[in-house]
Amino acid sequence: AQSVTQLGSHVSVSEGALVLLRCNYSSSVPPYLFWYVQYPNQGLQLLLKYTSAATLVKGINGFEAEFKKSETSFHLTKPSAHMSDAAEYFCAVLYSGAGSYQLTFGKGTKLSVIP
Amino acid sequence: DVKVTQSSRYLVKRTGEKVFLECVQDMDHENMFWYRQDPGLGLRLIYFSYDVKMKEKGDIPEGYSVSREKKERFSLILESASTNQTSMYLCASRTGGAGTGELFFGEGSRLTVL
Repeated sequence: AQSVTQLGSHVSVSEGALVLLRCNYSSSVPPYLFWYVQYPNQGLQLLLKYTSAATLVKGINGFEAEFKKSETSFHLTKPSAHMSDAAEYFCAVLYSGAGSYQLTFGKGTKLSVIP
Repeated sequence: DVKVTQSSRYLVKRTGEKVFLECVQDMDHENMFWYRQDPGLGLRLIYFSYDVKMKEKGDIPEGYSVSREKKERFSLILESASTNQTSMYLCASRTGGAGTGELFFGEGSRLTVL
């Protein structure tokens, strides 16, 4: 079974500082990878996705992620944090099994931005 | 704009009650999903459906059932609610096949079972 590990359930950064949220996956085949964001009291929305094209993927709100096959990682970064980035972030991997395609989510990382 | 609508944002029920959580999508998506979200556990898949009247168990189906009588509607049913089913429930939909796998989520239904 596929798994996704997000290192750090809580991350705090100062406003203007670099944001780095870590995600590692286990997959025996090239995966599709996603980052979702959840703002308080809302559902999840897609930030960005990797689908075997460019290894550096740009998403919404200035976020980007780099797929590194050798490290089985897909870390999310943003050069300069804004207060509005405070949210919970989920990494997910798409895998196929028994003829179906399912997303497996990590446990989430809650980002706090300190003024 | 694409939309997944969950009928109730907040519910409070008593142990043993039957609970219906409704989800409607307006994107003509074939696939629909129910997840529960708990702090520190992320999202866990309860049930999913690839088409009308089809359903498949996810990772944690015990205590739940689902109904998909129409393409746009996917209902989650708790036959006899228990306190350990207090959680946030998220519905999502996706176009058919593997595609990009992008899920579109509703805003969630927060259920409290007393």
